[in-house]
Amino acid sequence: AQSVTQLGSHVSVSEGALVLLRCNYSSSVPPYLFWYVQYPNQGLQLLLKYTTGATLVKGINGFEAEFKKSETSFHLTKPSAHMSDAAEYFCAVRGSSASKIIFGSGTRLSIRP
Amino acid sequence: DVKVTQSSRYLVKRTGEKVFLECVQDMDHENMFWYRQDPGLGLRLIYFSYDVKMKEKGDIPEGYSVSREKKERFSLILESASTNQTSMYLCASSLPGGNTGELFFGEGSRLTVL
Repeated sequence: AQSVTQLGSHVSVSEGALVLLRCNYSSSVPPYLFWYVQYPNQGLQLLLKYTTGATLVKGINGFEAEFKKSETSFHLTKPSAHMSDAAEYFCAVRGSSASKIIFGSGTRLSIRP
Repeated sequence: DVKVTQSSRYLVKRTGEKVFLECVQDMDHENMFWYRQDPGLGLRLIYFSYDVKMKEKGDIPEGYSVSREKKERFSLILESASTNQTSMYLCASSLPGGNTGELFFGEGSRLTVL
């Protein structure tokens, strides 16, 4: 069965600092992996996705994630945090079919001025 | 752009009331979903539909039902609302074919049951 674990329910970084949000997955099939972002009072929107091919995936707003099969990880990074990055971030894995996406519990990112 | 529209952003209902949450998507997506979002629990799938009049239970279907009479519309029904159904409800749809599973979300409906 597929599952996702996000380490850290809340991460706080200073503006301009590196952002690192951790995600580990479990999947019995080659995984499709996603990061979604939710800004306050909004729905989720896709940041980036890994399906096949290049293991370093670039997304919107300067975010990227690297698929590491040996570590079963898909951590999200951004070199320099901006105040507008404050949001909740969800890692997700496709389940046994495309009809089932399994989400992690989310990480709230705060940015200190 | 894909647009998923949820009819009500905020609702307040009383225990025992019947509640309808409506969702409409404008991109001819086969798959539509209802999730519930609670702090610390992430998103949990209530029901999904892969075609008109077709539905499957998700992980937490108890206390909920759904209706999909037209391809673009997917409704979530709480037959008798209870306080433990106070939550944020998110509707989503997925791309035609849905082979990657990427989801498009509405802005959410925050339901409070008193």
